[in-house]
Amino acid sequence: GAVVSQHPSRVICKSGTSVKIECRSLDFQATTMFWYRQFPKQSLMLMATSNEGSKATYEQGVEKDKFLINHASLTLSTLTVTSAHPEDSSFYICSAIMGSQETQYFGPGTRLLVL
Amino acid sequence: QQQVKQSPQSLIVQKGGISIINCAYENTAFDYFPWYQQFPGKGPALLIAIRPDVSEKKEGRFTISFNKSAKQFSLHIMDSQPGDSATYFCAALRGSNYKLTFGKGTLLTVNP
Repeated sequence: GAVVSQHPSRVICKSGTSVKIECRSLDFQATTMFWYRQFPKQSLMLMATSNEGSKATYEQGVEKDKFLINHASLTLSTLTVTSAHPEDSSFYICSAIMGSQETQYFGPGTRLLVL
Repeated sequence: QQQVKQSPQSLIVQKGGISIINCAYENTAFDYFPWYQQFPGKGPALLIAIRPDVSEKKEGRFTISFNKSAKQFSLHIMDSQPGDSATYFCAALRGSNYKLTFGKGTLLTVNP
């Protein structure tokens, strides 16, 4: 149980285009989902926290107009990278928790390459 | 300010040996300490977690030792196997906001 999926697993796009990444909790309802960014050989950096039906809370330094997060249901959160540039190329990972449990279940990640 | 310090950055162990990774935290409000294992190109997977009211927790070959007074905790991997080769992250969480603070990670290589 507690499976989180992401789609797509990897995406290549041209500079200036927008890319949407989906995060789904497959077998539980996720009250809260998190979006992380990870550069090669580095740790995970929290970008934002999203709760179903409410606006996402962004970490300091993360541009909310560039990284649009929508948590439309208890099983789906989306991250849209708007007007992507090469510096946005990274590994994006989502995680989800159920109820008031502390355990975060992570998705497999999405590799974004902006040309 | 790095709230969770992890060491070593990399570790090489022979098959069958013990791998030890250490973490130290500063914020005494942290009340949940998980360890995650991450293989290249994959998301992190929860290995084992501990709360500060317990000094040790063991699950199979993985053991967390926790020293509340020193604000330190460590992961021990007994009988290390080549399949354990991965990056390990310690983390800490303050239950009220569910945000994980990660260490910088340890790249473990287990030689056959």
